[in-house]
Amino acid sequence: NAGVTQTPKFQVLKTGQSMTLQCAQDMNHEYMSWYRQDPGMGLRLIHYSVGAGITDQGEVPNGYNVSRSTTEDFPLRLLSAAPSQTSVYFCASNDRFGDSPLHFGNGTRLTVT
Amino acid sequence: EDQVTQSPEALRLQEGESSSLNCSYTVSGLRGLFWYRQDPGKGPEFLFTLYSAGEEKEKERLKATLTKKESFLHITAPKPEDSATYLCAVPQGAQKLVFGQGTRLTINP
Repeated sequence: NAGVTQTPKFQVLKTGQSMTLQCAQDMNHEYMSWYRQDPGMGLRLIHYSVGAGITDQGEVPNGYNVSRSTTEDFPLRLLSAAPSQTSVYFCASNDRFGDSPLHFGNGTRLTVT
Repeated sequence: EDQVTQSPEALRLQEGESSSLNCSYTVSGLRGLFWYRQDPGKGPEFLFTLYSAGEEKEKERLKATLTKKESFLHITAPKPEDSATYLCAVPQGAQKLVFGQGTRLTINP
């Protein structure tokens, strides 16, 4: 059972570089989301998707793009990395938001220098 | 604005020493409260969902309870492997979970 798989586990970027964080789930879940986790701030929602072709912004969307071309994949793109985007990023999925728990990946630790 | 506050921030116990973690929330129309466990370097792992005041759920040494304003995670006779950060969260709107900042629990052998 793979569940939610995130790659890479670690990444170091220089300010201004772009990159894509990958997220894939094999549970056929409709709902997928990206959170960032920072010390003292808890987990905060960046973007979410309720199905293929449908995405929307969360609490802290600036500087990030998402798309959802398939049910399985939900990549997060950093357009021009900034030190403020240094964080641990978690992808999550579930089949019916609010009624079933989120399943999380093991995160990507990103450092922007 | 909906808020979730967890206390204490950190808790250190001896093996076998029971205690409780607190999660207080201010949200209109609670549609459930979730508890997660997070180990270092891992993503949060689901433990419990509670939906209504008075509800209780148990799993091994953990028991979660819910009132109208807060939830408790009671840990009975903990073992070192129970050491982790425990997070609570409530749904806000249609698609967002609001998380507390977590309680970092350490159980010393």
